[in-house]
Amino acid sequence: AQSVTQLDSQVPVFEEAPVELRCNYSSSVSVYLFWYVQYPNQGLQLLLKYLSGSTLVESINGFEAEFNKSQTSFHLRKPSVHISDTAEYFCAVSGSGGYNKLIFGAGTRLAVHP
Amino acid sequence: DAEITQSPRHKITETGRQVTLACHQTWNHNNMFWYRQDLGHGLRLLHYSYGVQDTNKGEVSDGYSVSRSNTEDLPLTLESAASSQTSVYFCASSEGPGETQYFGPGTRLLVL
Repeated sequence: AQSVTQLDSQVPVFEEAPVELRCNYSSSVSVYLFWYVQYPNQGLQLLLKYLSGSTLVESINGFEAEFNKSQTSFHLRKPSVHISDTAEYFCAVSGSGGYNKLIFGAGTRLAVHP
Repeated sequence: DAEITQSPRHKITETGRQVTLACHQTWNHNNMFWYRQDLGHGLRLLHYSYGVQDTNKGEVSDGYSVSRSNTEDLPLTLESAASSQTSVYFCASSEGPGETQYFGPGTRLLVL
């Protein structure tokens, strides 16, 4: 079985500052890792994912996450945030063995202030 | 464009009533999922299906059921609604392992 812990429920930050949203997972099997974003009153959208290969993955809007197998982490970072990045961010894990049901963390609310 | 839709978007019902939430996708995905979202819990998996006539229980399935008679639809039924089932419900679909799950807009359910 897998589980996900998002270490911060809320992260306030000023515009143009860097941010890191932390995610740790546990699993007895190889995993796929995902970050989803939810804007107010909307469904979730995929931000980025790690399947295999390079441990650093990037999104089209400047976010990046690094898979660290030894620390079982998949932290999300952005060097300079915008007001429009205000949203809830969810880390998720699935087993890589042929099924893709996702286990989600509790979410981190990122609030970007001017 | 392919999409995933949910209906109704908002629903108010009374304790003990049966409620069915619809989910329809035009991606032609085999995999479909139902989640509920509650503050402090993130999204929790209710039921999922890997194809027609296939259904499986998720981590919080009690009081919920699904059926899969075709590729496009996975309706979620609350057999006897309870106040604890007041929540936002999301449907999702995907092509396979490691593939993106595409989410619907959600259904906000209030059980009085």
